Order: sequence, then structure tokens, then C-alpha cells
Amino acid sequence: EIVLTQSPGTLSLSPGERATLSCRASQSFSSTYLAWYQQKPGQAPRLLIYGASSRATGIPDRFSGSGSGTDFTLTISRLEPEDFAVYYCHQYERSQTFGQGTKLEIK
Amino acid sequence: DVQLVESGGGLVQPGGSLRLSCAASGFTFSDYAMNWVRQAPGKGLEWVSYIRSGGIRSGGTAIYYADSVKGRFTISRDNAKNSLTLQMNSLRAEDTAVYYCARIPQYGTGWFFDSWGQGTLVTVSS
Repeated sequence: EIVLTQSPGTLSLSPGERATLSCRASQSFSSTYLAWYQQKPGQAPRLLIYGASSRATGIPDRFSGSGSGTDFTLTISRLEPEDFAVYYCHQYERSQTFGQGTKLEIK
Repeated sequence: DVQLVESGGGLVQPGGSLRLSCAASGFTFSDYAMNWVRQAPGKGLEWVSYIRSGGIRSGGTAIYYADSVKGRFTISRDNAKNSLTLQMNSLRAEDTAVYYCARIPQYGTGWFFDSWGQGTLVTVSS
């Protein structure tokens, strides 16, 4: 099983700042099979990025994804108030596993 | 607009059964593979089960389960009723979670999820 480890567990930033979220895999896999989701309290996850770097429909361009092999990154260029949430990475090359999440909170 | 609405959650005793449903609208349900994904309270996401589109053009049904539910859960779909179902038997405390139905889009490669329902809570407790 591919284990995904997200860091940091909690990230405290202010609106307007840049956020960098990391997702590290226990084994290398193709970037074609890496997605990121955003989840707010009491809501379902929302697809942000698929294929490591492709934005889903309607996702603002301040969200970008990158990476390959075992190291993947979600970057939010300038935080808006609505961006404070929990973010999950998801690999779907070999079965399906999710990271444990990074909570992005207002500083 | 795509809508997925789950129902059927509730409180059940260990060893009991529950049947979850997901009503789909706003898209051609038979053309899409569907999944169940769960989230234990305060925890992360766990994929549960997959069912292929099963429409005439897709060539039939394929089904997969996570090891944690294999042999206890059964996924099915009724394309005529735009409905997805998860029959859960021999429930355990560790099955307590919010269960989401989730759609795999027709773009991209692989099993990621572009639309999710609001979820239904299953609590397994005596």
C-alpha cells in the first residue's frame, strides 16, 4: 500500500500569504494519479487538482499543484478567507489512499 | 447541476446491517463509475468501494472493495433509477463514519472524484 504523509499537520497563515502543502509518498508513483481535495467543516470534499497539476473545473488559478515520484506540493499563491480548510492528497495509481490531511488555519 | 444525495444512515448495533442509497441527478448516471468513500469522525478519507458504469456501451459491470469491507459490504447500482446502493452487513464499531457517494469523471485518467454527495452518518454502537 502506498502511504501518503502530509506536512505540516497544521499551517497557520494570514490572508494574502502563500501556502505550501506537502504530500510525500512511501513509494514512487506516476504523477498522473495524484489529486488534491479541499474540505470545510460539515461539507464534502471538493476536487481541486487531478493529475498532480491539472485544476478541476471552476478552481481559481491561485491553486496549483506540482511534483513527481514521491514528493508532491499544493500551492495557494495568495490566501483568501475562504481557503482556510483541510486539504487532502489522494493517490489512485495502486488502489486508493489518502493523506491524513493538512489543516490550514487563520493566523 | 450534478447532485448526489445519500440516505439510509443511522445507529446500528455491532453485527447488524444497514443499506445506504445515493440518488443521482443532473447527469447521465449510467455513463459514470461510482464509489463509496467514508470518513470516520475527526479522521481522514478512506475509499470503500467502486462500481463501473455498467451501461450497455461500457461492456458490463466491474466491482471492487477495500480489504477492510470485503465480504461484508455489497455495492450495486440501478441505472434505470439513477441510484447507487451500499449494503453493509456484519457491521463493526470501526465502520462508524460519514459515507459519501462520489463520481469518477470522464476526463483525466484513473479513479479520482469530481462530485461528492453531502454524506450520511453511520454509527455502529451498542
